Amino acid sequence: DARVTQTPRDKVTEMGQEVTMRCQPILGHNTVFWYRQTMMQGLELLAYFRNRAPLDDSGMPKDRFSAEMPDATLATLKIQPSEPRDSAVYFCASGLGTSGRMGETQYFGPGTRLLVL
Amino acid sequence: AQTVTQSQPEMSVQEAETVTLSCTYDTSESDYYLFWYKQPPSRQMILVIRQEAYKQQNATENRFSVNFQKAAKSFSLKISDSQLGDAAMYFCAYDDSGGGADGLTFGKGTHLIIQP
Repeated sequence: DARVTQTPRDKVTEMGQEVTMRCQPILGHNTVFWYRQTMMQGLELLAYFRNRAPLDDSGMPKDRFSAEMPDATLATLKIQPSEPRDSAVYFCASGLGTSGRMGETQYFGPGTRLLVL
Repeated sequence: AQTVTQSQPEMSVQEAETVTLSCTYDTSESDYYLFWYKQPPSRQMILVIRQEAYKQQNATENRFSVNFQKAAKSFSLKISDSQLGDAAMYFCAYDDSGGGADGLTFGKGTHLIIQP
């Protein structure tokens, strides 16, 4: 049963600390998305990659957030330094996209719940 | 920019009854995809159903079906024979099919309560 995995599931940290969230996409999927969910803003796209190349990170605060794909089986989202307003659930999703036609189904991981004190 | 609106923050239905969740969207595109995702208390986002805008036939998945009205930009989800396990947040989502796709645009969600 192929699924997206994310670690850690929950993270509590203090303001100013570095936070790294990891995602393992479904084997064979070539597109990885990062979303953030808050009560106020709902679900928002932060960044996404296709074939490990970043295609769009316009939804991400550039000064403190960074997203990478060191290899096809690992995507990371890092916050440095973290702030209380970063508290949210961060989801990773993966899909199998083609260059000419998007709209592939995205499969979500269980999310990382982050609390910054 | 595309927007997705779910006008019902909360809906309640008796077990075994039918319920319809509303979703409208705004886009200037003619080709796109629409999705319904379910988020139970476990917070896992689960795909319920997918609709391709160029297909006129409404998608169905077992007890779940959609009423896709392209001209009205409406995409409602019907759940038949509601079960306790259907209780969750339901999110409507839009995806542009063009080459410049930028991920899913979500509505704010509808909290579905199933009354036993």
